[in-house]
Amino acid sequence: DIVLTQSPGTLSLTPGERATLSCRASQSVSSTYLAWYQQKPGQAPRLLIYGASSRATGIPDRFSGSGSGTDFTLTISRLEPEDFAVYYCHQYDGSPWTFGQGTKVEIK
Amino acid sequence: EVQLAESGGGLVQPGRSLRLSCTGSGFTFGDYAMSWFRQAPGRGLEWVGVIRSKAYGGTTEYVASVKGRFSISRDDSKGFAYLQMISLKTEDTAVYYCTRGRDGYVWGSYRLKEPAFDIWGQGTMVTVSS
Repeated sequence: DIVLTQSPGTLSLTPGERATLSCRASQSVSSTYLAWYQQKPGQAPRLLIYGASSRATGIPDRFSGSGSGTDFTLTISRLEPEDFAVYYCHQYDGSPWTFGQGTKVEIK
Repeated sequence: EVQLAESGGGLVQPGRSLRLSCTGSGFTFGDYAMSWFRQAPGRGLEWVGVIRSKAYGGTTEYVASVKGRFSISRDDSKGFAYLQMISLKTEDTAVYYCTRGRDGYVWGSYRLKEPAFDIWGQGTMVTVSS
C-alpha cells in the first residue's frame, strides 16, 4: 500500500499568513492521481486540487498545489477565516487508494 | 445542480447487515464510476470500494478490510449505487460517503479521469454497537 504522510499535523497561523502543507508518499505517485481536500467539522470533504496542481471548479486562486514523485505540497497564499479546516492529500494511483492522516490548520 | 445523496445509515448490532444507498442527480449517472469512502469518528478518510461504469465492465474493487463482507452494486436506470454490508463489526462505525469519477483506460490500465471525486454526498452515519 502507498502510505501518505502529511506534515505538520497541526499548523497554527493567523489570517493573512501563508500556509504550506506537505504530503510525502512511501513510493512514487503519478501527479495525475494526487488530490487535496478540505474538510470542515460535520461536512463532507471538498475537492480543492486534482492532478497535483489543478484547482477544482470554484476554488479560489489562493490555493495552489505542486510536487511530483513522492513529495507534494498544498499552499494557501493568504489564509482567509474560512480556510481554517483539516486538509487531506489522497492518491488513487495505486490500489488501495489511500489518504494522508490530515493537517489541521487552526487559528493561532 | 450536480448532487449526490447517501441514505440508509443507522444503528446496527455487530454481525448484522445494512444496505446504504447513494443517489445522483444533475448528471448522467451511468457515465461514472461510483466510489464509497468512510470516516470513523474523529479519524481520517478511508476508501472502501469502487464500482466501474458499465462501459468498463461494472466490476468492483474493495479495500482489504471489507473484502468478502461489503459489496457495491448499481442501478443506472434509477441513478443509484448501493453498498451492501454484512457481518458488520464495531470498527465499521463511520460516516459513509459516496462520490463519482469518470473512468477509462490510460496506457492500458483502468483509471479515473480528472477531476475525480469532485462531488460528494453529505454522508450517512453507520453505528455498529450492541
